[in-house]
Amino acid sequence: KAGVTQTPRYLIKTRGQQVTLSCSPISGHRSVSWYQQTPGQGLQFLFEYFSETQRNKGNFPGRFSGRQFSNSRSEMNVSTLELGDSALYLCASSPGLGRTDTQYFGPGTRLTVL
Amino acid sequence: GDSVTQMEGPVTLSEEAFLTINCTYTATGYPSLFWYVQYPGEGLQLLLKATKADDKGSNKGFEATYRKETTSFHLEKGSVQVSDSAVYFCALEAFTGNQFYFGTGTSLTVIP
Repeated sequence: KAGVTQTPRYLIKTRGQQVTLSCSPISGHRSVSWYQQTPGQGLQFLFEYFSETQRNKGNFPGRFSGRQFSNSRSEMNVSTLELGDSALYLCASSPGLGRTDTQYFGPGTRLTVL
Repeated sequence: GDSVTQMEGPVTLSEEAFLTINCTYTATGYPSLFWYVQYPGEGLQLLLKATKADDKGSNKGFEATYRKETTSFHLEKGSVQVSDSAVYFCALEAFTGNQFYFGTGTSLTVIP
């Protein structure tokens, strides 16, 4: 089974621009979560989608948004980029909402904001 | 709210040394507990998990036991290898839903 894929792997943008990151979950997985990883803050939860609905949201400003499509693929959008948005953005998928469902992570998208 | 606290790094060990990385948690109810490993330039990989008290998760020589009385899930390995060099994250899944909380990560370097 193919793992979680994220595109692009690397991205360089300038302040004020917007960016869209994509995540394709493992086949059959319906839940997708997004995390931001930075050296200073560690891993922080952004949001989680299940069946095209956002179920949980972390403590991030409204510039961060996401969506999930009917095939469970998910996109994350960041508008009006700031230097502090430079980070590794990780996507994780799991089969559903069961408590014992393990999250499987993609390799991440490294975003650099100049 | 739910949270995870793990041992600060970095940790440097010689090959074949014993490893312990401490992890404690605060949570409502009965969370599931996980250890993830991140190798340089890669995403996180699940190392092991435990879903109820006294469960022991194990994989690749690593072990961790879910201790409800001490709210801990310490990671141990009897004999580390150079290939174990990575960053290790302790995490919990909230009892109430599919939300994960991660520790700050502990960097491990194993020297030959």
